[in-house]
Amino acid sequence: DGGITQSPKYLFRKEGQNVTLSCEQNLNHDAMYWYRQDPGQGLRLIYYSQIVNDFQKGDIAEGYSVSREKKESFPLTVTSAQKNPTAFYLCASSPGTSGRKQFFGPGTRLTVL
Amino acid sequence: GQQLNQSPQSMFIQEGEDVSMNCTSSSIFNTWLWYKQDPGEGPVLLIALYKAGELTSNGRLTAQFGITRKDSFLNISASIPSDVGIYFCAGQPRRGNLIFGKGTKLSVKP
Repeated sequence: DGGITQSPKYLFRKEGQNVTLSCEQNLNHDAMYWYRQDPGQGLRLIYYSQIVNDFQKGDIAEGYSVSREKKESFPLTVTSAQKNPTAFYLCASSPGTSGRKQFFGPGTRLTVL
Repeated sequence: GQQLNQSPQSMFIQEGEDVSMNCTSSSIFNTWLWYKQDPGEGPVLLIALYKAGELTSNGRLTAQFGITRKDSFLNISASIPSDVGIYFCAGQPRRGNLIFGKGTKLSVKP
């Protein structure tokens, strides 16, 4: 099946630890995105990538890092510098680079204890 | 920064009722998207709009791209229980990334 997969679905980490969230797509989409969702809030853009080996900061990039070594994969690392990392993280992809039609993965809920 | 105002924040529906929600912006957008999100899941794209005045349907859902290019509307006709969830609008300015509204939560009337 074509789609976007995120793993794991639930993730628990101790404060001060880095953690990497996986995002894979087999849709042959050019662009990929990471969003953060907090209760009662809209989605906020963390990072995005329009092409392999290139990525751009979104609105809330501090405390996060990404890589785009393959077209299909866009992992997100939540570092210990992120002051409030507990949230629902969503990965999306879009055909082309305009981002005018984004499709989302199922999300990863990260809880930092 | 640019913001989207989505309303209402929440609403209760009775099966069979029609539902309306909207998003407004202070600036012009070139794209409007509508998503539905179930608890603990990722948003699912319902309708995409790319031209001012465009009216597009997806089953019982109909969305319109406002002629001022600063608003969009989503209507759900003859609601059913599985319509409950959170509906998000998203708009894209001429330059820049998608901006999301805070969502409209649809619940069933007790």
